[in-house]
Amino acid sequence: AQTVTQSQPEMSVQEAETVTLSCTYDTSESDYYLFWYKQPPSRQMILVIRQEAYKQQNATENRFSVNFQKAAKSFSLKISDSQLGDAAMYFCAYRSALRTGANSKLTFGKGITLSVRP
Amino acid sequence: EAGVAQSPRYKIIEKRQSVAFWCNPISGHATLYWYQQILGQGPKLLIQFQNNGVVDDSQLPKDRFSAERLKGVDSTLKIQPAKLEDSAVYLCASSLDLAAKNIQYFGAGTRLSVL
Repeated sequence: AQTVTQSQPEMSVQEAETVTLSCTYDTSESDYYLFWYKQPPSRQMILVIRQEAYKQQNATENRFSVNFQKAAKSFSLKISDSQLGDAAMYFCAYRSALRTGANSKLTFGKGITLSVRP
Repeated sequence: EAGVAQSPRYKIIEKRQSVAFWCNPISGHATLYWYQQILGQGPKLLIQFQNNGVVDDSQLPKDRFSAERLKGVDSTLKIQPAKLEDSAVYLCASSLDLAAKNIQYFGAGTRLSVL
C-alpha cells in the first residue's frame, strides 16, 4: 500500500517571502501522480499543483512550484512571494496511474498548517 | 461551471442517532467519491462510485455506514447509528471518470459532531 508522510505539522512564513513544504511517499509503482491540495478554513479542497511521475520536469503554477525527486520519493512544494491568502492547510496526495477503479483514490498525508505573517 | 455541492454544512447529533449527507457532483462527472476527514488528519476514502455502481467500498464501516447513487448523479451517505468517533468532516469529490489523469474536485464538506 502507498503511504504519504508530511512530518511538519506547522510552518510560518513572512508575507512576500518563500516557504517550502515537505512531503515524502512510499510506493512500489513506477507510474503515478502527486498532488498538493490547499484546504482553507472554508474546508473546500483546492488543487494547487500536480506532478506526473514519468515527467522529469518539475511542475510550476504561477507562484507555486515543486521539487520532485523520484529516486528519493520526495515531493516538496515551494511557495514564492507568499500572500496572506496562502494561509491554509496543505495536503500532499498520491494517486496510482493505473486505470483500475480502486486505484483511482487519493491517498493523503496528514497535512501541514501554513500561517502567513503580515 | 458549478462545483460539487454538499449539504448540510454542519450537523450536530447525539450518539446512536442517524444522519444523512447529500452530494451533487459536477455535471457530467461519472466518478464520485466520499472521504472522511478526522480532525488533524488527511481525508480517507470511504466509498467510490462509477455512475451508479460501487467501485471501492473496502474502507466503509458497513455495519453503520451506507451510501447510494441510484441514478448515477446525486449521492447520499448515511450513518446509522452514529458513534462518537464518527465526528469528522465528510467530503464529496467527483471526477470525469476513473482515468488517473482526471482531477478530483471537492465540495466544501459536511462537518458532523456526534455528542
